[in-house]
Amino acid sequence: EIVLTQSPATLSLSPGERATLSCRASQRIINSLAWYQQKPGQAPRLLIYDASNRATGIPARFSGSGFDTDFTLTISSLEPEDFAVYYCHHRSNWPPITFGPGTKVDIK
Amino acid sequence: QVQLQESGPGLVKPSGTLSLSCSVSGDSISTSNWWTWVRQPPGKGLEWIGEIYHGGHTNYSPSLKSRVIISVDKSKNQFSLKLISVTAADTAVYYCARNPWGKTGLDYWGQGTRVTVSS
Repeated sequence: EIVLTQSPATLSLSPGERATLSCRASQRIINSLAWYQQKPGQAPRLLIYDASNRATGIPARFSGSGFDTDFTLTISSLEPEDFAVYYCHHRSNWPPITFGPGTKVDIK
Repeated sequence: QVQLQESGPGLVKPSGTLSLSCSVSGDSISTSNWWTWVRQPPGKGLEWIGEIYHGGHTNYSPSLKSRVIISVDKSKNQFSLKLISVTAADTAVYYCARNPWGKTGLDYWGQGTRVTVSS
C-alpha cells in the first residue's frame, strides 16, 4: 500500500501570504496525484489533477508540482476563502487508493 | 452540469447492513469514469472505500473488501454501496464521486450523507 504523508499538519498564515503544502508518497507514483480543498460541512473540491493540472474553475493562484514521490501544492497569495483543510490523493498501483492525512491552513 | 446525490438511511443498527445509492445526472453512468465511494468519520480524514466501472469491474479497499459490494444500475443511472456487518467504526459521512478514466482526480462529488451506526 502506498502511504501519503502531508506536511505540515497545520499551517498558520495571514491573507496575502504564500502557502506551500507538501505531500510525500512512500513509493514512486509518477504524476498520479490530486489535491483537494475541504471546508467544514462541505464535500471536498478537486483543485489539481495529475499532479499539476488545475481543475475546471480553480483560480490561477493554486498550482501543483512534483513527480514520483514529492509533490507540492502552492497557493500564491491566500484569500480569506482559502482557509480550509487540504488533502492529497494518489491513484497509482491500486487498490488501494489512499488519501493523505490533510494539512489545515488556518488564519494566523 | 454533472451532479451526484447520495440517498439512504441515516441510521443503521450494529451488525446490520448499510445501503446507499448515488444518483447521477448530467452524465451517463456508462461513460468512461470510475464511480467511487469515499467516507469520512467524524473529525477525521478521507477514506477511499471502492469504485466501479460501468462494465462492472470493481476495486475495493483491502480493509473493507470482505464487507463491501459496489454495484451499478444503468437503467436508473445510479450506483450503490452495500456494507455488511457494520459497527460504530463505520459511522461517517459517505460521499459518492466520479474519477475520469486515465486521470487522478475525483472531479465531481455528492454533498455527502451522514450515516450513524447505533442501536
